Amino acid sequence: DAGITQSPRYKITETGRQVTLMCHQTWSHSYMFWYRQDLGHGLRLIYYSAAADITDKGEVPDGYVVSRSKTENFPLTLESATRSQTSVYFCASSDGTGELFFGEGSRLTVL
Amino acid sequence: GENVEQHPSTLSVQEGDSAVIKCTYSDSASNYFPWYKQELGKRPQLIIDIRSNVGEKKDQRIAVTLNKTAKHFSLHITETQPEDSAVYFCAALSGTYKYIFGTGTRLKVLA
Repeated sequence: DAGITQSPRYKITETGRQVTLMCHQTWSHSYMFWYRQDLGHGLRLIYYSAAADITDKGEVPDGYVVSRSKTENFPLTLESATRSQTSVYFCASSDGTGELFFGEGSRLTVL
Repeated sequence: GENVEQHPSTLSVQEGDSAVIKCTYSDSASNYFPWYKQELGKRPQLIIDIRSNVGEKKDQRIAVTLNKTAKHFSLHITETQPEDSAVYFCAALSGTYKYIFGTGTRLKVLA
């Protein structure tokens, strides 16, 4: 049972480059989320999706793009990475009844 | 907008003592209150949760209490052990996807 997996786990890139973080879940959960975690800010929602082809902005969406063509995948793209996007990114999924299941996280460094 | 305030931000206790972390939420429509534990470099994982129709829930050394009138909920850890050292996040859920997280409490259990 793979659950929810993220890739890559670690990424170093340069300012201006495009980066895509992948998220895959095997539970067929309807809801998927992307959070970023920074010291002093806790977990902040970037984007979420209620189903395939349905996405919406969270608290901090600027500079990010998401898509959800299949229920199990929810990639997050930084179109032109900035240093302020250096963070740990967590993907999560839920069946809508309560518990959020988090992926292992992707640590992104933008130089 | 809706928010969840969490206190304290850091907490140090002697091994064997109790620890209490408190959260206050603003959205009266919140109906589910999970607590997540995050060890260093790991993903947040659910340790206990409570729904709005319940006032208290226990699971071995961990308990959560909810006061809907005051919009407060608290995590209680008794007989703390070194492995309880981690960051703890509270959250409040409104509807099926609107999770609001507290900013976290770093708990240190001193041997």
